Formats: sequence, C-alpha cells, structure tokens
Amino acid sequence: GAGVSQTPSNKVTEKGKYVELRCDPISGHTALYWYRQSLGQGPEFLIYFQGTGAADDSGLPNDRFFAVRPEGSVSTLKIQRTERGDSAVYLCASGSGTGADTQYFGPGTRLTVL
Amino acid sequence: AQSVTQLDSHVSVSEGTPVLLRCNYSSSYSPSLFWYVQHPNKGLQLLLKYTSAATLVKGINGFEAEFKKSETSFHLTKPSAHMSDAAEYFCVVTITSGTYKYIFGTGTRLKVLA
Repeated sequence: GAGVSQTPSNKVTEKGKYVELRCDPISGHTALYWYRQSLGQGPEFLIYFQGTGAADDSGLPNDRFFAVRPEGSVSTLKIQRTERGDSAVYLCASGSGTGADTQYFGPGTRLTVL
Repeated sequence: AQSVTQLDSHVSVSEGTPVLLRCNYSSSYSPSLFWYVQHPNKGLQLLLKYTSAATLVKGINGFEAEFKKSETSFHLTKPSAHMSDAAEYFCVVTITSGTYKYIFGTGTRLKVLA
C-alpha cells in the first residue's frame, strides 16, 4: 500500500513569507506526527495529532508555527513570517495510534528560507 | 525526561567486518527503543524495535540490537558490513504512555570502506 507522502518535496521561500507543508498519512492511521530535522541533527518533535485534535503541540517553537488535521487524515503544517532559521527538512510520520507502535515516515519537505 | 545519546557521530568499517553503533538511553518509564536508518535523500526506515519483549531484537538486513537495562544501552550490531549499509543511523526512545513522540539521538554516520 501507499506510504506517507509529503508535498512539496522542496520549497524555497523568502524571509517573511507564509508557507504550507502537506502530509498524507497511511490510510487508517489515526496518529500523525510532525518533526523537524536541521542539518546534521536528528529529527525533533513538533506536534502530535490523534484523530483531528492536536494532542501534544509542545514541540512547536513559537506561535508562527501551526498545524491542522481537520478531517483526521491529511495534515498541513503552516509557518507564518518565515525566518532563515526555519530552514530544515520537515518530516511527517503516521502510526496506528495504539501504544508505542512504529511510526512510518514520509520523505520530508526541504524548506529553504532565503 | 527521556533522552538518547549516540556515542559516535561517525563510524568507519571495512566491508565484511562487524558493525557496532552505540546508543545509551535515559528514561523514567519503561522505554520503547528503535533504530532507524536514513539513506541519502531517502526517508527514515525502521530497522528494528524493542518494546519489552525479548531483549535481543532482530531487524532487517542482518541488524540486531540488545536491550540492556543495567547498562541503559541499546547498541546496534551487524556481523558483516555491506557497502549498502553506508547511511545515517538514529537511535530513538519513546515513552510508553502519553503521546509516544519519538526522541531521536543525534545520529551516527556509518561509512563502509571497500
């Protein structure tokens, strides 16, 4: 079956602009996670959805970052007033939502803020 | 709080020799532990996971890891390295309650020499 998909694969924007990153999880997965991977680092947790609700948004760095999952499937990560420090690969993962099960990762969106 | 420490940022081995990638964890709860591999320009792929069953865990591509509670370690091994094993490897811990978010180590880059 299809894995996790993310669009776009690459996004180049200018400082101060607004961007949206999309994640399509594996069908039937209720858990959805966003992570951010800076160059040379391991991914860092941003936000977790169980169904439609954000169950844990403790990793969002500030109020410029926001994510939604209105129908419990596709999720969009939104970044306002982008800064050069937001440049990173944004990863999405989904899971069955039952305990500490495996998270399946998408290929990521590489965001570059000029 | 949960954390993982990958003791080596880079490891080089010759093809056909054993691989050892070291990981120590810290967790206040009974942890679940994972190893993921990330090939260049590819998504994160699960190698193996420990979730409180057998302490010796076998994964894909001949990798295995042993959970040692007394040493708080979860080292990844493979008896014989192959050129295709060259990649970045991440040790991951997740707590077994709450959000199950992943906490990644900083990664170990494995180089395999011909």
